[in-house]
Amino acid sequence: DQQVKQNSPSLSVQEGRISILNCDYTNSMFDYFLWYKKYPAEGPTFLISISSIKDKNEDGRFTVFLNKSAKHLSLHIVPSQPGDSAVYFCAASSGSNTGKLIFGQGTTLQVKP
Amino acid sequence: KAGVTQTPRYLIKTRGQQVTLSCSPISGHRSVSWYQQTPGQGLQFLFEYFSETQRNKGNFPGRFSGRQFSNSRSEMNVSTLELGDSALYLCASSQGALGGELFFGEGSRLTVL
Repeated sequence: DQQVKQNSPSLSVQEGRISILNCDYTNSMFDYFLWYKKYPAEGPTFLISISSIKDKNEDGRFTVFLNKSAKHLSLHIVPSQPGDSAVYFCAASSGSNTGKLIFGQGTTLQVKP
Repeated sequence: KAGVTQTPRYLIKTRGQQVTLSCSPISGHRSVSWYQQTPGQGLQFLFEYFSETQRNKGNFPGRFSGRQFSNSRSEMNVSTLELGDSALYLCASSQGALGGELFFGEGSRLTVL
């Protein structure tokens, strides 16, 4: 039973354009959501998070949108840069004070120059 | 500030053996979590330790165990290794307070032959 799903294994966009990565979840108890980026041979790196009391959070080129009724969140990267090419993981938890995150399978983003 | 340090980075074991992996969290972080990453299952939560106590546990068999020391350093142990235990084992630390952001190490790559 996969509680967090990233249905697109890969995404390719042109440099300068917007990248939109999607994530769906099934567990209504999740109230904190995060995005991580992972390069090969490195551990995941935190990008941005959002609490269920919000529907949008921005940090520079990264914006996360949360649609609680649809149990859907998305990560927008604008503008996309070649250095953004990596695997992006969506994660969810019940409460923000926990080390237990449920991860999606990841989406490999390729940004072409 | 030093990041999360995991040792060893790579190791090869044979079926039936046991293995111990070590994790040193970021200074001041009291929570340490362990994750298993495999190509088929993605990132899966193993367990979390906070102030030397196991706070959360994932759905892994009892062959997987861990502990945390008074200096917050943590170890995980896998006994009676199986081929399916081949994976990247990631350790993450956090302050354990509000925020939820986990800082990951680079992982220990275990190969079971």
